[in-house]
Amino acid sequence: AQSVAQPEDQVNVAEGNPLTVKCTYSVSGNPYLFWYVQYPNRGLQFLLKYITGDNLVKGSYGFEAEFNKSQTSFHLKKPSALVSDSALYFCAVRDTGTASKLTFGTGTRLQVTL
Amino acid sequence: SQTIHQWPATLVQPVGSPLSLECTVEGTSNPNLYWYRQAAGRGLQLLFYSVGIGQISSEVPQNLSASRPQDRQFILSSKKLLLSDSGFYLCAWTGPWNTEAFFGQGTRLTVV
Repeated sequence: AQSVAQPEDQVNVAEGNPLTVKCTYSVSGNPYLFWYVQYPNRGLQFLLKYITGDNLVKGSYGFEAEFNKSQTSFHLKKPSALVSDSALYFCAVRDTGTASKLTFGTGTRLQVTL
Repeated sequence: SQTIHQWPATLVQPVGSPLSLECTVEGTSNPNLYWYRQAAGRGLQLLFYSVGIGQISSEVPQNLSASRPQDRQFILSSKKLLLSDSGFYLCAWTGPWNTEAFFGQGTRLTVV
């Protein structure tokens, strides 16, 4: 069975500082990995994805993520956080072997303060 | 371009009443379709997914069912709602293989 773990319920960072939101995954085959952001009472918005190729993936709003196969991780990063980045962030995985099933982590709340 | 519609946005239903939430996708064909539930603004629980008309996979035994009567229509139903069915329900679609999922705006269901 495929799964995603986001070990931090909340991440606090000061505006202007770098941020990292952690994600690890488990699949039987090769993974497709995704990050999404959710603002209150809204659906999820896609940020970025890893399919194959370069391990560093760049996405929307200055976010990037690094795929590490040996550590089965896909951490979300941003060099300089903004207050407007405060939201709920989800990591998700699809197994290339059973590509129809999309599994999400439990989410990490990012709080950026002045 | 592709769009996904989900309605209603909010719903208050009494315990024991039936439920029908509808989701439709435009601008694509043969999408994979998903229903998720989000409790208390946190994790997403996959309820059902479908890879084609009439093909439904259930992830969690529960009081809900899903149907896909048309290629781009996905319906979440219940015959009798429970208090524990309250939550934020999200519909999503993906193309085949490596595409990302696109989400509807969600339905806030409160069972009273």
